[in-house]
Amino acid sequence: QKEVEQDPGPLSVPEGAIVSLNCTYSNSAFQYFMWYRQYSRKGPELLMYTYSSGNKEDGRFTAQVDKSSKYISLFIRDSQPSDSATYLCAMTLNTNAGKSTFGDGTTLTVKP
Amino acid sequence: DAGVTQSPTHLIKTRGQHVTLRCSPISGHKSVSWYQQVLGQGPQFIFQYYEKEERGRGNFPDRFSARQFPNYSSELNVNALLLGDSALYLCASRPSGGEQFFGPGTRLTVL
Repeated sequence: QKEVEQDPGPLSVPEGAIVSLNCTYSNSAFQYFMWYRQYSRKGPELLMYTYSSGNKEDGRFTAQVDKSSKYISLFIRDSQPSDSATYLCAMTLNTNAGKSTFGDGTTLTVKP
Repeated sequence: DAGVTQSPTHLIKTRGQHVTLRCSPISGHKSVSWYQQVLGQGPQFIFQYYEKEERGRGNFPDRFSARQFPNYSSELNVNALLLGDSALYLCASRPSGGEQFFGPGTRLTVL
C-alpha cells in the first residue's frame, strides 16, 4: 500500500464549478503538505504549502488538512478551463521539501 | 530569473546503455533533488544533494547515482538501463528552508 493515496479521477467539471481534490496518507509523521499543478509534459508547479491542520486560502484555492484523519483536500472555486491539469498532493516529514512523497495525481478537465 | 533547467529535453536509449541527465538549479539554490515520474504516477524521490553532499536517497537500485558540482549543478547517472527506467526525470532546486521548484524534466525512453 502506498504511503499517499490520491483519488485517481479523471475529473470533468463545467466552468465555474467548485472542485474538490483529496488525498489520504498512512504515515502520521508527515508534517508538511503541498499541492502541485502539473500541465502536460511540464514540471510540477507549487500551488499551496501548509503545515497545520485547518484551512489555508489563496485566491480561488483553499487547502485543508485534517491530521487526525490523515486527510488533505484542495478546493478550487470558480474553476476555469485554464485549471485543466493534473493535481498532485505531496508531503514531507519536516521542512525539507526536497524529499517529498507524492500521490499519483488527479487529472482535472474544466469544460467551457 | 531563469528557472531550473534540465538537459537534454528528451532522449532515447537502448537496454543496457548508460545515461547522464543534467540539471542547473535556480541561482542561489544549494539544494537539488531528483525525482522519477513514470507515466500516470506521481514523482518518486531518487536523491537529494545539498552543498555537494548526498542528503537523502530513495528506494532505487545502485544503478542510479548522482553528484553535485561546486556551482550546485547536478548530474543523474543511470547504468545498465532497463525498459522500466523509461520515465520523466525531474530535477528540483530549493533555497535553505524554502519550497522546491521543478524543472521541465528530461523524458527518457528505453527501447
